[in-house]
Amino acid sequence: DTGVSQNPRHKITKRGQNVTFRCDPISEHNRLYWYRQTLGQGPEFLTYFQNEAQLEKSRLLSDRFSAERPKGSFSTLEIQRTEQGDSAMYLCASSAWDGDDIQYFGAGTRLSVL
Amino acid sequence: KNEVEQSPQNLTAQEGEFITINCSYSVGISALHWLQQHPGGGIVSLFMLSSGKKKHGRLIATINIQEKHSSLHITASHPRDSAVYICAVSSQGAQKLVFGQGTRLTINP
Repeated sequence: DTGVSQNPRHKITKRGQNVTFRCDPISEHNRLYWYRQTLGQGPEFLTYFQNEAQLEKSRLLSDRFSAERPKGSFSTLEIQRTEQGDSAMYLCASSAWDGDDIQYFGAGTRLSVL
Repeated sequence: KNEVEQSPQNLTAQEGEFITINCSYSVGISALHWLQQHPGGGIVSLFMLSSGKKKHGRLIATINIQEKHSSLHITASHPRDSAVYICAVSSQGAQKLVFGQGTRLTINP
């Protein structure tokens, strides 16, 4: 299966630590998205890449958050100096620009900041 | 006010009942999406539509562009349909999805 893969699935960290999540999209997809979902809410957009270019960032993405997609393949999302409010499910999705543009989601990384 | 509003937030029904979940949006869109989320996080796209109606098995999605409203229907509901159903829109000129808060559906046997 070559679906969207996210690692780790769960991350527990202490406040103030840095964390990094990885997303491997479907191989032929050139668009990649990061979303954040808190309990009982729908996902919220964080950022979007087309190939290696980061084309849009939400104002939710404070300066403690950074995302990269260095070769237009996998992507990383780093959170520096984590806060308890960062606890959430971080979802990655990918889509094909020249296809139906339906977004395919990974299973997510659940972050708990203690 | 959220750009995408869903109703109801929670819905419990008996197996076999006809289910309707509603979605209203306030922005211009290029497409509306219905997605399903099971416990544990996995989100699956059910429909993407920009006009009219689509059907897949027991699921039917409709959209009224003029009224900025969409509905998701489930016929002959089954306990395995229990999940959170989320409406999302992609705005004109943007690729990101803007999500509603979801509808938690529980189908009892």
